[in-house]
Amino acid sequence: SQQGEEDPQALSIQEGENATMNCSYKTSINNLQWYRQNSGRGLVHLILIRSNEREKHSGRLRVTLDTSKKSSSLLITASRAADTASYFCATDSRGSRLTFGEGTQLTVNP
Amino acid sequence: GAGVSQSPSNKVTEKGKDVELRCDPISGHTALYWYRQSLGQGLEFLIYFQGNSAPDKSGLPSDRFSAERTGGSVSTLTIQRTQQEDSAVYLCASSATRTATEQYFGPGTRLTVT
Repeated sequence: SQQGEEDPQALSIQEGENATMNCSYKTSINNLQWYRQNSGRGLVHLILIRSNEREKHSGRLRVTLDTSKKSSSLLITASRAADTASYFCATDSRGSRLTFGEGTQLTVNP
Repeated sequence: GAGVSQSPSNKVTEKGKDVELRCDPISGHTALYWYRQSLGQGLEFLIYFQGNSAPDKSGLPSDRFSAERTGGSVSTLTIQRTQQEDSAVYLCASSATRTATEQYFGPGTRLTVT
């Protein structure tokens, strides 16, 4: 079963708006990662946040991690049509392999 | 500077036939992973190779599935006596170290069992 659970399952916004996606998990983790997937093919790594970090930024991306609530959020600011994709969180609670969530499908309308 | 490559990109096969899917990881990456993704779903872990260690096969759904990694590089995922429920995108990823840091994914093989 998937440990990470993203919500919402689908999100549709207008270009220029911010998009927030959430991820919850069940067991303790070493780190949490976010990936992006276009058109059901290979995933691209976006950002990694370690369990002792609370917030991390990368360009228009901001990730937060709350280990007490076992949750993380991914914020994409000033969204663009090219940000349309599926976004997955992944946790490493089982040693060296990642457990992925079901994903959030983001649609950014021009 | 090639990334992870997979072949074929698409495979259509008849129920009951065997298929082989290939993955070429990034050169020098010691860890290699196989995942399965059904339409609109998340990734399901299948198997993990790390160097010369015994692979973690805990995600393989049945004994019809097997994988090998020769010479610590190329990997082949074999599905015997394919079933319609095996239809999915099979994704391969590699990473530089044994710890679960960033994984680099191939484009996947879309398998359709008719």
